[in-house]
Amino acid sequence: RKEVEQDPGPFNVPEGATVAFNCTYSNSASQSFFWYRQDCRKEPKLLMSVYSSGNEDGRFTAQLNRASQYISLLIRDSKLSDSATYLCVVNTREYGNKLVFGAGTILRVKS
Amino acid sequence: GAVVSQHPSWVICKSGTSVKIECRSLDFQATTMFWYRQFPKQSLMLMATSNEGSKATYEQGVEKDKFLINHASLTLSTLTVTSAHPEDSSFYICSARSPGGLETQYFGPGTRLLVL
Repeated sequence: RKEVEQDPGPFNVPEGATVAFNCTYSNSASQSFFWYRQDCRKEPKLLMSVYSSGNEDGRFTAQLNRASQYISLLIRDSKLSDSATYLCVVNTREYGNKLVFGAGTILRVKS
Repeated sequence: GAVVSQHPSWVICKSGTSVKIECRSLDFQATTMFWYRQFPKQSLMLMATSNEGSKATYEQGVEKDKFLINHASLTLSTLTVTSAHPEDSSFYICSARSPGGLETQYFGPGTRLLVL
């Protein structure tokens, strides 16, 4: 079983739509959680950290459910520029603060 | 935010040659840098953790004699792919941990290696 699992997609949505991505992680000792965005042939860039209480940054909302080992990302009012691969990332300190990446979920926003 | 650079951004080489990739933290000192590899449509896989002034720690299945890592200063880590073969063709990305931060990593722009 992969440490971090995501639906690869692609999710094809029209501009203005709301889209949600899910992610599950296998290591219950994981302590920090992130969503990264990766554009084609580019490096990943931090989109937002994910906190237990849930957090919002503009059109983006992240949620964490530790009991279910589940992380989500909600994007409201999708823009064409949101098209990218979204990576779910988990940090487990017992392994020396290593980031473990999911394979990513592809989002395509179309006009 | 912090800036990490990589050089070169593209490499095309013949099978059997060695390729060196540099990773620099431009505006902060990084005691720890990480090297990842990403094959098409796959996730980033950590290859090794590079610690300044000491030997790198390699992940299981990564050959330390093939992927030589040197972290000679607080702002520079190098990855050398020795005797490269076509199956080594990949996207190599480094990251540096921000000073005082346990978790935040800043990624370099990556190096695309194509071995013919």
